[in-house]
Amino acid sequence: NAGVTQTPKFRILKIGQSMTLQCTQDMNHNYMYWYRQDPGMGLKLIYYSVGAGITDKGEVPNGYNVSRSTTEDFPLRLELAAPSQTSVYFCASTHTGGGGTQYFGPGTRLLVL
Amino acid sequence: RKEVEQDPGPFNVPEGATVAFNCTYSNSASQSFFWYRQDCRKEPKLLMSVYSSGNEDGRFTAQLNRASQYISLLIRDSKLSDSATYLCVVNIRGLPNTGNQFYFGTGTSLTVIP
Repeated sequence: NAGVTQTPKFRILKIGQSMTLQCTQDMNHNYMYWYRQDPGMGLKLIYYSVGAGITDKGEVPNGYNVSRSTTEDFPLRLELAAPSQTSVYFCASTHTGGGGTQYFGPGTRLLVL
Repeated sequence: RKEVEQDPGPFNVPEGATVAFNCTYSNSASQSFFWYRQDCRKEPKLLMSVYSSGNEDGRFTAQLNRASQYISLLIRDSKLSDSATYLCVVNIRGLPNTGNQFYFGTGTSLTVIP
């Protein structure tokens, strides 16, 4: 199993540009999450999904959108990039929503200039 | 108020030392608790879950006090390879038909010195 994979690993965007961060898991997990981690800070939940076709907002959803058309994929869309979205983005998945281990992807480092 | 609070450190300890990290959480609906380890510029990885009765995994001991809403992690006989940031994570029961949410502390930085 590859686990959770994310692409790209690093990206520089100009203000106002759009991009999609890709996340795929091959563990057949129902639950998937997107987090952002700013320097010296903990992870903050952006969006999550409890299964294909179902998504919900986390703590910091503004400026982002997600979709979950399949169990495996959970892309995160930035429509109008802003400097405040400079961060490291982690995707994670779990088999169950409660006590299950979260498996994280390697992260995408995004710089918005 | 933050859902999860940790002392950010840094903790700089010599090899072989015992070090303890503390974490408090604010939501009494919290139902699952974890310690994750994050190496520099890497993704978090599960170190151990925390159970009400306390649990041990080798040199690592985790404890939970639900009454005080407090979680701890004890590392004995510290190794150089223990140098990392340790994240306290709490899972809070969500609304019906929605998923539970995980809340992360800001992490406690540990450096083990030769």
